[in-house]
Amino acid sequence: EVQLLESGGGLVQPGGSLRLSCAASGYTFSSYAMSWVRQAPAKGLEWVSAISISGGSTYYADSVKGRFTISRDNSKNTLYLQMDSLRAEDTAVYYCAREGIVASGAEWFDPWGQGTLVTVSS
Amino acid sequence: AIQMTQSPSSLSASVGDRVTITCRASRGIRNDLGWYQQKPGKAPKLLIYGISSLQTGVPSRFSGSGSGTDFTLTINSLQPEDFATYYCLQDYNYPWTFGQGTKVEIK
Repeated sequence: EVQLLESGGGLVQPGGSLRLSCAASGYTFSSYAMSWVRQAPAKGLEWVSAISISGGSTYYADSVKGRFTISRDNSKNTLYLQMDSLRAEDTAVYYCAREGIVASGAEWFDPWGQGTLVTVSS
Repeated sequence: AIQMTQSPSSLSASVGDRVTITCRASRGIRNDLGWYQQKPGKAPKLLIYGISSLQTGVPSRFSGSGSGTDFTLTINSLQPEDFATYYCLQDYNYPWTFGQGTKVEIK
């Protein structure tokens, strides 16, 4: 069974840092791109960042560019999100998701992890 | 960034109804459009990718259609387990963007 398990969330003060992890199992981690998606309390979904299969290409939402860093360790089947200079508006549940793709180029997120809550508050 | 305008933001429907949710992209996104279902306190679940391809295991009462900038999710014969929030997502280019969501509630 394909599973993604996030960890590392918690309470942090504004300006602080946190590193999220996403442990993958049940599939060949190094064969899939990965993303982070977040959801602020009672709000919609926001794509945050993506990383290619090798880790050589990374992408960020404008709202986190320059503050967050996505990375992966294919030997450990783990995805990371280093979050620095955190702001109150970064408070959200953070999900990791596997990216799939078909020949037509259509992509999707499946599965998703259960999410980890990050709260930025003094 | 491509903006995804989803409507309605909420709707009330009865079991057995046909429900339609629409998403409009601010520019053409080829076939790079998917739909996700989210229930309270749970992670989103993939329903449809590539405009109309049904994810394995998703009931056939869900269908997707559209082209260019206008897309539709249709739920035929709404079931009790379908009451949830639905999001469209464009994966045409980064930053990928979601619609604002449509909450489907029981009438």
